[in-house]
Amino acid sequence: AQSVTQLGSHVSVSEGALVLLRCNYSSSVPPYLFWYVQYPNQGLQLLLKYTTGATLVKGINGFEAEFKKSETSFHLTKPSAHMSDAAEYFCAVSGTGSGGGADGLTFGKGTHLIIQP
Amino acid sequence: DAGITQSPRHKVTETGTPVTLRCHQTENHRYMYWYRQDPGHGLRLIHYSYGVKDTDKGEVSDGYSVSRSKTEDFLLTLESATSSQTSVYFCAISGLNTGELFFGEGSRLTVL
Repeated sequence: AQSVTQLGSHVSVSEGALVLLRCNYSSSVPPYLFWYVQYPNQGLQLLLKYTTGATLVKGINGFEAEFKKSETSFHLTKPSAHMSDAAEYFCAVSGTGSGGGADGLTFGKGTHLIIQP
Repeated sequence: DAGITQSPRHKVTETGTPVTLRCHQTENHRYMYWYRQDPGHGLRLIHYSYGVKDTDKGEVSDGYSVSRSKTEDFLLTLESATSSQTSVYFCAISGLNTGELFFGEGSRLTVL
């Protein structure tokens, strides 16, 4: 079975500082990995995804993540935080079977990113 | 944006009453999902569908049933709502090429 662990339910950074949100996963098959963002009272929006190929993945809004198989990690980073980045962030891993299982994604519990002025 | 509409967006009901949430998609995607979101738990899969009349249980399916009579509609039913089912419910769809899900705006259900 797949599982996702997000370290830190809340992360606070200053505007302009580096953002680092941690995600570790376990999967019985080569994983597809995702980061989603959720703004208040909205649905989830895809930030970026790793499927195959290059392990450093760039997403929207200046975010990127690196797939490290040896560490079973997929941490999300952004060099300089902006006030508009304040939101809930979810890491997710695909279901059974490579290529994204039909049984959906397994999500972490989320990390609330707080940006301090 | 993916064409996903959830209804109702907000509902307050009483314990023991039946509730049906509807998810409608215009993308003609084969796969549809119902998740619930609760503080400290992230999103948890309730049920999913891999085609018309083809559904399966997810992680937290007890107390819920689903139906899919048309490609575009996926219904989630709480036969007898309980306070523990107070949550925000999200519908998602997938074309499964890369496994990513596209989410609706959510339905907030309060069971008193």
